[in-house]
Amino acid sequence: DAGITQSPRHKVTETGTPVTLRCHQTENHRYMYWYRQDPGHGLRLIHYSYGVKDTDKGEVSDGYSVSRSKTEDFLLTLESATSSQTSVYFCAISEGSRELFFGEGSRLTVL
Amino acid sequence: AQSVTQLDSHVSVSEGTPVLLRCNYSSSYSPSLFWYVQHPNKGLQLLLKYTSAATLVKGINGFEAEFKKSETSFHLTKPSAHMSDAAEYFCALSGSARQLTFGSGTQLTVLP
Repeated sequence: DAGITQSPRHKVTETGTPVTLRCHQTENHRYMYWYRQDPGHGLRLIHYSYGVKDTDKGEVSDGYSVSRSKTEDFLLTLESATSSQTSVYFCAISEGSRELFFGEGSRLTVL
Repeated sequence: AQSVTQLDSHVSVSEGTPVLLRCNYSSSYSPSLFWYVQHPNKGLQLLLKYTSAATLVKGINGFEAEFKKSETSFHLTKPSAHMSDAAEYFCALSGSARQLTFGSGTQLTVLP
C-alpha cells in the first residue's frame, strides 16, 4: 500500500468553524490531490498540487484552500465550514505513471 | 472538456455469473483510462489501467477491460463473480495535469 496517511479520519464540527484536513505521504511523489466523494457524484477534484508551493484549483474549489509547504504534506482548509461540505474527503498521490494512489479518507460532518 | 459516464448506478449478479460494468468517456485527446474499486469505508484501489498500449487490459482479481475508441467505451468485465467482488466501481479518465475525472460509480451486488 502507498504510504498515505489522512488525519483526522473522522471529524464532526459546527457551521462556521474552520477545519483543516492533513494528508501526509512517505512516497516522495510530486503530485498530490484532494477529492470529495458524495453519493451520486463519484469523486470530484477540489485542489491539486504539482510541487511544493505549486497548487491549482479543481472542479469544486469554492470554499476550500490548500497549502503545500513540504513535499510530504498537503493541507486542505475549510475557512468556514458549511453543511454542504459534509462529505468524505480523499487525498491521492501520483508520480511518473498517471495512476493515483488513495488514502483511506476523512469523513467530515458539518452540523 | 472531458467526462466519464458510468451507464449503470447499480448492477446485481449471481455468484459465478459474468460481470459487466459499463463506462463511456469523452475526451479531445488520446485518453488514459482507469478502473478503481472501493470497498465499504475504504479508499480506492486500482483494478487496471489503459495507457495506449494493448486495447484489452487485464487487471487484478480476474477483471479485464477493453478500450474501444470507435465506441468511446471502456467496459469492465469478469467471467465469474465472487462474493468478495461486491463493492463500488469507478471508471476514471486522466486529464492534462494528471488529475483524474471520475464517473459517478457503479454499485455491484453479488447474490449467493
